[in-house]
Amino acid sequence: KQEVTQIPAALSVPEGENLVLNCSFTDSAIYNLQWFRQDPGKGLTSLLLIQSSQREQTSGRLNASLDKSSGRSTLYIAASQPGDSATYLCAVRPWGGSQGNLIFGKGTKLSVKP
Amino acid sequence: DAGVIQSPRHEVTEMGQEVTLRCKPISGHDYLFWYRQTMMRGLELLIYFNNNVPIDDSGMPEDRFSAKMPNASFSTLKIQPSEPRDSAVYFCASSPFPGLWYFGPGTRLTVT
Repeated sequence: KQEVTQIPAALSVPEGENLVLNCSFTDSAIYNLQWFRQDPGKGLTSLLLIQSSQREQTSGRLNASLDKSSGRSTLYIAASQPGDSATYLCAVRPWGGSQGNLIFGKGTKLSVKP
Repeated sequence: DAGVIQSPRHEVTEMGQEVTLRCKPISGHDYLFWYRQTMMRGLELLIYFNNNVPIDDSGMPEDRFSAKMPNASFSTLKIQPSEPRDSAVYFCASSPFPGLWYFGPGTRLTVT
């Protein structure tokens, strides 16, 4: 059974710092991996989608990497800003799983202090 | 487009009552998903539809839960009778194609 773990559960950094959020999954047979952002009282916003054949994706100050063989993904945030404060969730779509069957981690709550 | 719309945003009800959550997906999206989020279990898929047809309902906890999509612009998730352990945030999401999800703001349900 696929399990997704995110460590740490919470992280507090000063503004301007570069940081890395970690995601690990137990079964390397995945179709893709996606990073989401969740703001309090709001839904999830997709940040980056990495297909199983890809190693990384970049969007602005965000860079996500994928190492299927080791079951790991990282989300790198450069020059963090207070507006980056949110909960970041990692989700995998298992290979052969149904289209909606995303397996989510429980998230890392990020706080960027001014 | 206004995005995925969910109503109500908050619902407080007593155990045993019927609860109906509503979702309007983004126009043109063929896929609609219902997820539930709790502190203990995180986000879990309950059911999803493709072109208004339920495709995978394996995540629906039990017979007390039912979901319908009578047309491309509306879906409901019903809990009857509700129990305190159903308290959670329920998200609806829609998608134009596999791999890209647009989530609604969620409905926070509290069953006392």
